[in-house]
Amino acid sequence: QSVLTQPPSVSAAPGQKVTISCSGSSSNIGNNYVSWYQQLPGTAPKLLIYDNNKRPSGIPDRFSGSKSGTSATLGITGLQTGDEADYYCGTWDSSLRWVFGGGTKLTVL
Amino acid sequence: EVQLVESGGGLVQPGGSLRLSCAASGFTFSSYSMNWVRQAPGKGLEWVSYISSSSSTIYYADSVKGRFTISRDNAKNSLYLQMNSLRDEDTAVYYCAREPLIDWGQGTLVTVSS
Repeated sequence: QSVLTQPPSVSAAPGQKVTISCSGSSSNIGNNYVSWYQQLPGTAPKLLIYDNNKRPSGIPDRFSGSKSGTSATLGITGLQTGDEADYYCGTWDSSLRWVFGGGTKLTVL
Repeated sequence: EVQLVESGGGLVQPGGSLRLSCAASGFTFSSYSMNWVRQAPGKGLEWVSYISSSSSTIYYADSVKGRFTISRDNAKNSLYLQMNSLRDEDTAVYYCAREPLIDWGQGTLVTVSS
């Protein structure tokens, strides 16, 4: 049982937009920055979004992040088949640990 | 370019020990806190441990507390995870990651099995 709650899967057609939600509590998302990670099959997680809505250099602006209260959302526009991956949200928790969502598998139909 | 390279994984029997290493380059290692994060086969990410830049602050997940020890050698730009009393449920790919989990290594597989 993950501390943060994500939908197990989402899907959309190429070129379309998809959003992935991440729900937490006041002990984690409510009082800390949220990060989002992309994990392509067989590879290590890669940072997509940090500090709720900032993109590291090299991450296209098709990827966006937002946070409201104890929830966060990852948005991906102009979906490509190469975006098929598992996506995780993560944040620091007041219990002095990093916590993650269970991961969302994105399928580009 | 930031590089994090883990090593030391392998097959170990339940109750055994293993020491993981993470070699860092491309940034001032001594200025950054570091973490270990693991991922069991087919499962999600699980944070394992955190160590501050000077080793003065250390945190562990409850699942490994008392069995795992994180450490670092800033002179060698290296991070370590000593894993004792290993259990089947410790089987996972172990990643080192630069705080705040902005850069990750490729991971090293630890398999605990008899």
